[in-house]
Amino acid sequence: DTGVSQDPRHKITKRGQNVTFRCDPISEHNRLYWYRQTLGQGPEFLTYFQNEAQLEKSRLLSDRFSAERPKGSFSTLEIQRTEQGDSAMYLCASSLEPVYNEQFFGPGTRLTVL
Amino acid sequence: GQQLNQSPQSMFIQEGEDVSMNCTSSSIFNTWLWYKQDPGEGPVLLIALYKAGELTSNGRLTAQFGITRKDSFLNISASIPSDVGIYFCAGLNNNAGNMLTFGGGTRLMVKP
Repeated sequence: DTGVSQDPRHKITKRGQNVTFRCDPISEHNRLYWYRQTLGQGPEFLTYFQNEAQLEKSRLLSDRFSAERPKGSFSTLEIQRTEQGDSAMYLCASSLEPVYNEQFFGPGTRLTVL
Repeated sequence: GQQLNQSPQSMFIQEGEDVSMNCTSSSIFNTWLWYKQDPGEGPVLLIALYKAGELTSNGRLTAQFGITRKDSFLNISASIPSDVGIYFCAGLNNNAGNMLTFGGGTRLMVKP
């Protein structure tokens, strides 16, 4: 039984560099979500996909952020020209109809921008 | 971003004691979820609630969906050391999008 997996678990980068994270949802889960969590706070929604279609995006998702789910399975989140304020835990979650509202989270990718 | 008001922010209790925490919102939700998060890990789903007034248990955990649909409560009975962690409430209103809105978390510490 495999849950949501994320890669890498940790990423340290220098300001201005681009980074890409990968999320593999639970098998057959057709919804996939990205959240961001800063220290001492609860997760905040970034975007979600139903199959390959990106259906909602938060205002937190600036132009430097882009997410894809090309084949409706795994997803990638790219941050271009990273800033120190991008340092956070990036969490991926997935869910399955009809209980879409029960979202299951992966272990997260912790990004540190120096 | 918007967050739910979750209280208390932290609790330090003796092993064996019962624990209560709650979450309130200015908006109504049609789903309330409770998660537990350990350091360096993602949140783990504990309980899901779908109806106003609903009371649901999962082992020593009991959660309730408030009748106003603007609040929820989580109780942990007979706490044990492995209950240590951060507990988050999360609400969702499908009419306002499919994202979860999280509380700020309750940090639980248990003294053996």
